[in-house]
Amino acid sequence: DAKTTQPPSMDCAEGRAANLPCNHSTISGNEYVYWYRQIHSQGPQYIIHGLKNNETNEMASLIITEDRKSSTLILPHATLRDTAVYYCIVRVSYGQNFVFGPGTRLSVLP
Amino acid sequence: EAQVTQNPRYLITVTGKKLTVTCSQNMNHEYMSWYRQDPGLGLRQIYYSMNVEVTDKGDVPEGYKVSRKEKRNFPLILESPSPNQTSLYFCASSGEQGLVGYTFGSGTRLTVV
Repeated sequence: DAKTTQPPSMDCAEGRAANLPCNHSTISGNEYVYWYRQIHSQGPQYIIHGLKNNETNEMASLIITEDRKSSTLILPHATLRDTAVYYCIVRVSYGQNFVFGPGTRLSVLP
Repeated sequence: EAQVTQNPRYLITVTGKKLTVTCSQNMNHEYMSWYRQDPGLGLRQIYYSMNVEVTDKGDVPEGYKVSRKEKRNFPLILESPSPNQTSLYFCASSGEQGLVGYTFGSGTRLTVV
Protein backbone atom coordinates (compact mmCIF):
# COMPACT_ATOMS: atom_id res chain seq x y z
CA ASP A 1 0.00 0.00 0.00
CA ALA A 2 1.37 3.37 -1.04
CA LYS A 3 1.85 5.60 1.97
CA THR A 4 2.77 8.67 -0.05
CA THR A 5 1.56 10.26 -3.27
CA GLN A 6 3.79 12.49 -5.38
CA PRO A 7 3.35 14.01 -8.85
CA PRO A 8 5.31 11.96 -11.38
CA SER A 9 7.17 14.93 -12.82
CA MET A 10 7.77 18.67 -12.41
CA ASP A 11 9.77 21.35 -14.13
CA CYS A 12 11.49 24.29 -12.50
CA ALA A 13 13.46 27.20 -13.93
CA GLU A 14 17.08 27.46 -12.87
CA GLY A 15 17.52 29.87 -9.98
CA ARG A 16 13.90 29.66 -8.90
CA ALA A 17 12.56 27.79 -5.90
CA ALA A 18 11.46 24.22 -6.54
CA ASN A 19 8.49 23.16 -4.41
CA LEU A 20 7.88 19.44 -4.41
CA PRO A 21 4.61 18.30 -2.82
CA CYS A 22 3.93 15.02 -1.07
CA ASN A 23 0.63 13.67 0.20
CA HIS A 24 0.68 11.31 3.18
CA SER A 25 -2.90 11.47 4.44
CA THR A 26 -2.68 8.21 6.42
CA ILE A 27 0.48 9.13 8.33
CA SER A 28 0.59 7.97 11.93
CA GLY A 29 1.57 10.15 14.86
CA ASN A 30 4.96 8.51 15.25
CA GLU A 31 5.89 8.41 11.56
CA TYR A 32 8.58 10.69 10.21
CA VAL A 33 8.65 12.22 6.73
CA TYR A 34 11.90 11.64 4.85
CA TRP A 35 13.11 13.03 1.55
CA TYR A 36 15.77 11.49 -0.68
CA ARG A 37 16.84 12.19 -4.23
CA GLN A 38 18.53 10.08 -6.88
CA ILE A 39 20.53 11.64 -9.66
CA HIS A 40 20.52 9.38 -12.71
CA SER A 41 21.65 5.92 -11.50
CA GLN A 42 23.69 7.12 -8.54
CA GLY A 43 22.89 5.98 -5.03
CA PRO A 44 19.98 7.84 -3.43
CA GLN A 45 21.02 10.83 -1.36
CA TYR A 46 19.38 11.70 1.95
CA ILE A 47 18.08 15.29 1.97
CA ILE A 48 16.07 15.95 5.12
CA HIS A 49 13.52 14.50 7.50
CA GLY A 50 11.01 15.76 10.06
CA LEU A 51 8.24 14.73 12.40
CA LYS A 52 5.92 17.72 12.74
CA ASN A 53 8.02 20.88 12.86
CA ASN A 54 9.39 22.54 9.77
CA GLU A 55 13.02 21.69 9.17
CA THR A 56 15.83 23.38 7.25
CA ASN A 57 19.35 22.33 6.42
CA GLU A 58 21.97 23.34 3.90
CA MET A 59 20.22 21.49 1.10
CA ALA A 60 16.53 22.20 1.53
CA SER A 61 13.57 23.09 3.72
CA LEU A 62 10.77 20.75 4.72
CA ILE A 63 7.35 22.21 5.42
CA ILE A 64 4.86 19.84 7.10
CA THR A 65 1.23 20.90 7.38
CA GLU A 66 -0.28 21.18 10.83
CA ASP A 67 -2.42 18.07 10.32
CA ARG A 68 0.70 16.28 8.96
CA LYS A 69 -1.22 14.94 5.98
CA SER A 70 1.05 16.60 3.46
CA SER A 71 4.46 18.18 3.15
CA THR A 72 6.52 20.22 0.72
CA LEU A 73 10.22 19.98 0.02
CA ILE A 74 11.66 23.34 -1.00
CA LEU A 75 14.91 23.76 -2.89
CA PRO A 76 15.34 27.51 -2.56
CA HIS A 77 17.47 28.21 -5.63
CA ALA A 78 17.34 25.24 -7.97
CA THR A 79 20.37 24.53 -10.17
CA LEU A 80 20.79 22.18 -13.11
CA ARG A 81 22.51 19.74 -10.74
CA ASP A 82 19.25 19.42 -8.79
CA THR A 83 17.67 17.55 -11.71
CA ALA A 84 16.84 14.18 -10.14
CA VAL A 85 14.08 11.89 -8.91
CA TYR A 86 12.86 13.00 -5.48
CA TYR A 87 11.37 10.46 -3.08
CA CYS A 88 9.08 11.26 -0.17
CA ILE A 89 8.91 8.44 2.39
CA VAL A 90 7.13 8.02 5.70
CA ARG A 91 8.59 5.67 8.24
CA VAL A 92 7.82 4.92 11.84
CA SER A 93 11.14 4.26 13.58
CA TYR A 94 14.54 2.67 13.45
CA GLY A 95 14.92 -0.71 11.86
CA GLN A 96 12.06 -0.15 9.49
CA ASN A 97 12.48 -0.47 5.78
CA PHE A 98 12.58 2.69 3.69
CA VAL A 99 9.99 2.00 1.00
CA PHE A 100 10.85 3.98 -2.11
CA GLY A 101 7.91 4.74 -4.40
CA PRO A 102 8.21 6.12 -7.95
CA GLY A 103 8.99 9.64 -6.71
CA THR A 104 8.85 12.93 -8.62
CA ARG A 105 11.18 13.50 -11.54
CA LEU A 106 12.30 17.13 -11.22
CA SER A 107 13.78 18.74 -14.30
CA VAL A 108 15.57 22.05 -13.73
CA LEU A 109 15.55 23.98 -16.97
CA PRO A 110 18.09 26.63 -18.00
CA GLU B 1 35.64 11.07 3.87
CA ALA B 2 32.54 9.36 5.24
CA GLN B 3 31.34 6.87 2.67
CA VAL B 4 29.87 3.52 1.75
CA THR B 5 32.07 1.62 -0.69
CA GLN B 6 30.74 -1.13 -2.92
CA ASN B 7 32.77 -3.41 -5.16
CA PRO B 8 32.71 -4.13 -7.97
CA ARG B 9 30.90 -1.27 -9.75
CA TYR B 10 30.14 -3.46 -12.76
CA LEU B 11 29.99 -7.24 -13.04
CA ILE B 12 28.95 -9.60 -15.80
CA THR B 13 28.71 -13.24 -14.79
CA VAL B 14 27.17 -16.50 -15.91
CA THR B 15 24.20 -18.32 -14.45
CA GLY B 16 25.09 -20.43 -11.43
CA LYS B 17 28.54 -18.99 -10.71
CA LYS B 18 28.67 -17.87 -7.10
CA LEU B 19 29.56 -14.23 -6.53
CA THR B 20 29.94 -11.76 -3.69
CA VAL B 21 29.37 -8.01 -3.81
CA THR B 22 31.24 -6.30 -1.01
CA CYS B 23 30.05 -3.32 1.00
CA SER B 24 32.08 -1.41 3.54
CA GLN B 25 31.36 1.74 5.55
CA ASN B 26 33.75 3.89 7.55
CA MET B 27 31.22 5.70 9.75
CA ASN B 28 30.85 3.09 12.53
CA HIS B 29 27.18 2.72 11.61
CA GLU B 30 25.16 -0.03 13.23
CA TYR B 31 22.53 -0.31 10.52
CA MET B 32 23.26 -1.59 7.01
CA SER B 33 21.00 -2.64 4.18
CA TRP B 34 20.98 -3.91 0.59
CA TYR B 35 18.58 -2.73 -2.09
CA ARG B 36 18.07 -3.64 -5.72
CA GLN B 37 16.67 -1.25 -8.30
CA ASP B 38 14.84 -2.35 -11.41
CA PRO B 39 13.02 -0.28 -14.05
CA GLY B 40 9.37 0.12 -13.15
CA LEU B 41 9.82 -1.57 -9.77
CA GLY B 42 11.87 1.05 -7.99
CA LEU B 43 14.15 0.33 -5.04
CA ARG B 44 13.38 -2.80 -3.06
CA GLN B 45 15.08 -3.94 0.13
CA ILE B 46 16.82 -7.33 0.03
CA TYR B 47 18.31 -7.72 3.51
CA TYR B 48 19.20 -5.50 6.41
CA SER B 49 21.33 -5.71 9.53
CA MET B 50 20.76 -3.92 12.81
CA ASN B 51 24.25 -4.74 14.12
CA VAL B 52 26.99 -7.37 14.08
CA GLU B 53 25.55 -10.88 13.74
CA VAL B 54 22.00 -9.48 13.45
CA THR B 55 20.46 -9.75 9.98
CA ASP B 56 16.92 -9.97 8.68
CA LYS B 57 15.06 -10.36 5.40
CA GLY B 58 13.71 -7.41 3.49
CA ASP B 59 11.07 -7.54 0.79
CA VAL B 60 12.93 -9.60 -1.85
CA PRO B 61 15.45 -11.90 -0.09
CA GLU B 62 15.07 -14.98 -2.30
CA GLY B 63 18.32 -16.00 -3.96
CA TYR B 64 20.50 -13.84 -1.71
CA LYS B 65 22.52 -14.29 1.45
CA VAL B 66 24.26 -11.78 3.68
CA SER B 67 26.58 -11.83 6.64
CA ARG B 68 27.62 -9.25 9.25
CA LYS B 69 30.72 -10.53 11.01
CA GLU B 70 32.21 -7.06 11.41
CA LYS B 71 30.48 -3.75 11.91
CA ARG B 72 31.95 -2.12 8.84
CA ASN B 73 31.27 -4.90 6.28
CA PHE B 74 28.03 -6.28 4.90
CA PRO B 75 28.63 -8.48 1.84
CA LEU B 76 25.84 -9.64 -0.45
CA ILE B 77 26.21 -13.23 -1.65
CA LEU B 78 24.53 -14.77 -4.66
CA GLU B 79 25.10 -18.53 -4.32
CA SER B 80 23.66 -19.41 -7.74
CA PRO B 81 22.90 -16.27 -9.73
CA SER B 82 20.11 -16.31 -12.28
CA PRO B 83 19.24 -13.84 -15.05
CA ASN B 84 16.35 -12.39 -12.98
CA GLN B 85 18.98 -11.10 -10.55
CA THR B 86 20.32 -8.79 -13.22
CA SER B 87 19.87 -5.44 -11.53
CA LEU B 88 21.45 -2.34 -10.00
CA TYR B 89 22.37 -3.00 -6.38
CA PHE B 90 22.87 -0.45 -3.62
CA CYS B 91 24.29 -0.84 -0.15
CA ALA B 92 23.32 1.67 2.53
CA SER B 93 24.23 2.39 6.13
CA SER B 94 22.88 4.52 8.94
CA GLY B 95 23.76 5.42 12.48
CA GLU B 96 21.33 5.91 15.37
CA GLN B 97 19.73 2.55 14.69
CA GLY B 98 18.50 3.64 11.28
CA LEU B 99 16.43 6.59 12.43
CA VAL B 100 18.45 9.17 10.53
CA GLY B 101 18.89 9.08 6.79
CA TYR B 102 20.83 6.38 5.02
CA THR B 103 24.13 6.90 3.24
CA PHE B 104 24.10 4.92 0.01
CA GLY B 105 26.98 3.47 -1.96
CA SER B 106 27.54 4.21 -5.64
CA GLY B 107 25.91 1.01 -6.82
CA THR B 108 26.88 -2.27 -8.46
CA ARG B 109 25.46 -3.03 -11.86
CA LEU B 110 25.17 -6.81 -12.16
CA THR B 111 24.38 -8.68 -15.35
CA VAL B 112 23.77 -12.43 -15.21
CA VAL B 113 23.79 -14.16 -18.59
